[in-house]
Amino acid sequence: DAGVIQSPRHEVTEMGQEVTLRCKPISGHDYLFWYRQTMMRGLELLIYFNNNVPIDDSGMPEDRFSAKMPNASFSTLKIQPSEPRDSAVYFCASRGGLTEAFFGQGTRLTVV
Amino acid sequence: AQKVTQAQTEISVVEKEDVTLDCVYETRDTTYYLFWYKQPPSGELVFLIRRNSFDEQNEISGRYSWNFQKSTSSFNFTITASQVVDSAVYFCALSEANQGAQKLVFGQGTRLTINP
Repeated sequence: DAGVIQSPRHEVTEMGQEVTLRCKPISGHDYLFWYRQTMMRGLELLIYFNNNVPIDDSGMPEDRFSAKMPNASFSTLKIQPSEPRDSAVYFCASRGGLTEAFFGQGTRLTVV
Repeated sequence: AQKVTQAQTEISVVEKEDVTLDCVYETRDTTYYLFWYKQPPSGELVFLIRRNSFDEQNEISGRYSWNFQKSTSSFNFTITASQVVDSAVYFCALSEANQGAQKLVFGQGTRLTINP
């Protein structure tokens, strides 16, 4: 398996624009997580899904953030409108049952 | 509430030295899982180890070893005979079974630099 695949690897966008981050989890994994990493706050869990259903979105910072998982092999994290303080590295991770979580390589988002 | 503390923000040692990264956790759950992840300069998060709260046996994997002590709520990580390739940020993390063992709470990380 190729592991968790995220795209794009880097994204630079202007404030106010919509940004969509994409994730393909490891095949067979039933949990998918979105994390955000910043210098100030470290690694924070934004939302996670189980069998494509959002279970806990309490970490989503504001209504500008939304996440979907239309099927077992694809998830998106959308920010609309984006703001400079959204600049961070966004990680997607997946796990099967109680195994460890495997992380993608991350998307480095810069909002100017 | 669950919390992980990595008090050492940065550590710098010379190659071949042994180095220990500290991790202290807080949880009210009796069943929980502890993890270490490595984040090399390339940025990805690499899983190193998982330990459940019922298994206090120490673990050794090559130059890496982990010391889990429930009495002090610590899960420390030691690299023996460090190498330059060990330079990375290392994260300790915790998940609680009463939350479905799904939420990984990370410490702030320790940046380890191994100098040649």
